[in-house]
Amino acid sequence: RKEVEQDPGPFNVPEGATVAFNCTYSNSASQSFFWYRQDCRKEPKLLMSVYSSGNEDGRFTAQLNRASQYISLLIRDSKLSDSATYLCVVKRAGNNRLAFGKGNQVVVIP
Amino acid sequence: NAGVTQTPKFQVLKTGQSMTLQCAQDMNHEYMSWYRQDPGMGLRLIHYSVGAGITDQGEVPNGYNVSRSTTEDFPLRLLSAAPSQTSVYFCASSSPGGGEAFFGQGTRLTVV
Repeated sequence: RKEVEQDPGPFNVPEGATVAFNCTYSNSASQSFFWYRQDCRKEPKLLMSVYSSGNEDGRFTAQLNRASQYISLLIRDSKLSDSATYLCVVKRAGNNRLAFGKGNQVVVIP
Repeated sequence: NAGVTQTPKFQVLKTGQSMTLQCAQDMNHEYMSWYRQDPGMGLRLIHYSVGAGITDQGEVPNGYNVSRSTTEDFPLRLLSAAPSQTSVYFCASSSPGGGEAFFGQGTRLTVV
């Protein structure tokens, strides 16, 4: 089983709509969780960290469910500029090694 | 504010040729790593280093060598390129315990 699993999509989203997707992780020792954004033919960049209590950054909301071992990302009021691949990233306690999901491809349609 | 600098951005190699992908960071990060990204596979860890003089294998190390003589530099060497090494390569760095990994712009490598 992959350490981090994501449904790659694509997720075709009308402009202004809300889109949400999850990723699951297999290692219960995982300690830190992140969402990275990767634009086409570009490098990944940190979008936001995911905290146990959930956190929000503008139109983006991230949630963590440790009991079920999944992380979610919700994008409200989607903009054309939100079109990208969103990578779920998990880090184990005690080291800096990151495990990446394959990414959720989001296409915002005018 | 350079961050992580990778060179070259594009490269075409013939099977059997060798080359070195360069990676340098100016953030004094201890942890550096190399990934490859293939369609449908996501990012896979090739090699990583927790500090100067220390390297270790990741998920897909075969066919690649690394060294870490300084904190700043972490080159990746392909000793004898194979078509299966056609991929996009990313170098990344982060501070110990830090959450954010900073990536270079990537190297698109084609082996023919």
